[in-house]
Amino acid sequence: DTGVSQNPRHKITKRGQNVTFRCDPISEHNRLYWYRQTLGQGPEFLTYFQNEAQLEKSRLLSDRFSAERPKGSFSTLEIQRTEQGDSAMYLCASSSSVGVYGYTFGSGTRLTVV
Amino acid sequence: AQTVTQSQPEMSVQEAETVTLSCTYDTSENNYYLFWYKQPPSRQMILVIRQEAYKQQNATENRFSVNFQKAAKSFSLKISDSQLGDTAMYFCAFMKEAAGNKLTFGGGTRVLVKP
Repeated sequence: DTGVSQNPRHKITKRGQNVTFRCDPISEHNRLYWYRQTLGQGPEFLTYFQNEAQLEKSRLLSDRFSAERPKGSFSTLEIQRTEQGDSAMYLCASSSSVGVYGYTFGSGTRLTVV
Repeated sequence: AQTVTQSQPEMSVQEAETVTLSCTYDTSENNYYLFWYKQPPSRQMILVIRQEAYKQQNATENRFSVNFQKAAKSFSLKISDSQLGDTAMYFCAFMKEAAGNKLTFGGGTRVLVKP
């Protein structure tokens, strides 16, 4: 296993376009998290899954945002009608629900909306 | 809701010296976990050290150690014998027990190790 993988690494899009990001977690981890990090700030929680169930969504996750984790494996985060304020690093992380050992993070997808 | 505060935006330290990063948090919970994460420039975030609130003994991982003061809600990180590779953003994070392992992060402290 090579850790948590996120694709693409960078995405530049025009305002109003839709974008989709993918996260492949560590295969043994049943929990998957999405965070957003703006420049110079700490990551902010967006949503998390346990297996295929989306168990919590932040108020930051507006109606334009949707996340899925079909079959409890990889996850996608889609942003519709992107706005300049959506420009950020989108981080994915995974963990096991057994014990508390912190997350393994991916390298993130940097979104720039122009 | 929990909040995590890191009051030092930036710290610099000479190679081989020691630097201490501060972190305070606010919670009404009794059982929780605290973490320090390191985020090197343009690289992924990695776990540095972890502390369970029910343990009085401070956690240590090689050159990294914490000073956990539960009553004061303080969780500082000490980096000893600083190395150039320690240059990074450091984030303090809080996790409530049985909350889906959701992390709440502080705003971060940038550490620059100078040769």
